[in-house]
Amino acid sequence: SQKIEQNSEALNIQEGKTATLTCNYTNYSPAYLQWYRQDPGRGPVFLLLIRENEKEKRKERLKVTFDTTLKQSLFHITASQPADSATYLCALDNYGNNRLAFGKGNQVVVIP
Amino acid sequence: DGGITQSPKYLFRKEGQNVTLSCEQNLNHDAMYWYRQDPGQGLRLIYYSQIVNDFQKGDIAEGYSVSREKKESFPLTVTSAQKNPTAFYLCASSRRDRHNEQFFGPGTRLTVL
Repeated sequence: SQKIEQNSEALNIQEGKTATLTCNYTNYSPAYLQWYRQDPGRGPVFLLLIRENEKEKRKERLKVTFDTTLKQSLFHITASQPADSATYLCALDNYGNNRLAFGKGNQVVVIP
Repeated sequence: DGGITQSPKYLFRKEGQNVTLSCEQNLNHDAMYWYRQDPGQGLRLIYYSQIVNDFQKGDIAEGYSVSREKKESFPLTVTSAQKNPTAFYLCASSRRDRHNEQFFGPGTRLTVL
């Protein structure tokens, strides 16, 4: 069966450190992968998209990698700040028509 | 200001009643989506529409219905056939070509009493 796995345990991290989140998938062949941020009680907000032929993508303090052999994406927040505290969702292109399959999300708590 | 709006933010209904959730966008996007989110769960796709007057079932369409009569609007009706309707409902839109991000509304929290 198809699965998208993100760590269910919250990641508690000290301010200024790098937070690293993992997204593993099974039985998908995504052409691209996206990461979203979701704050409590609000809709997700798009952060980054990485295509299958790209190894790494950066945006300000965010970095995403995509390894189609390992079927894994890593999401890094460098120099983390308390304002980065949120849940981060990974989403895969599933049917090639902008229809996305979402992971359950991984909560990050940045401690001042 | 371009964006996507959902109303109301909170909705309470008695069991057995149908209820319609509103979703409007002024981003000129062709594609629109409805998701359901339960505590500790990922987003699950209910229905999506790639163009006006056309829509397809997602992974959990049973007990829901939609219409797409206008490009800007994609209302979702939660019918009495939906067994567990209490949830957080999210509407999103995107451009229709591939590799585009989805823009989400603020969500509607539906509670069925």
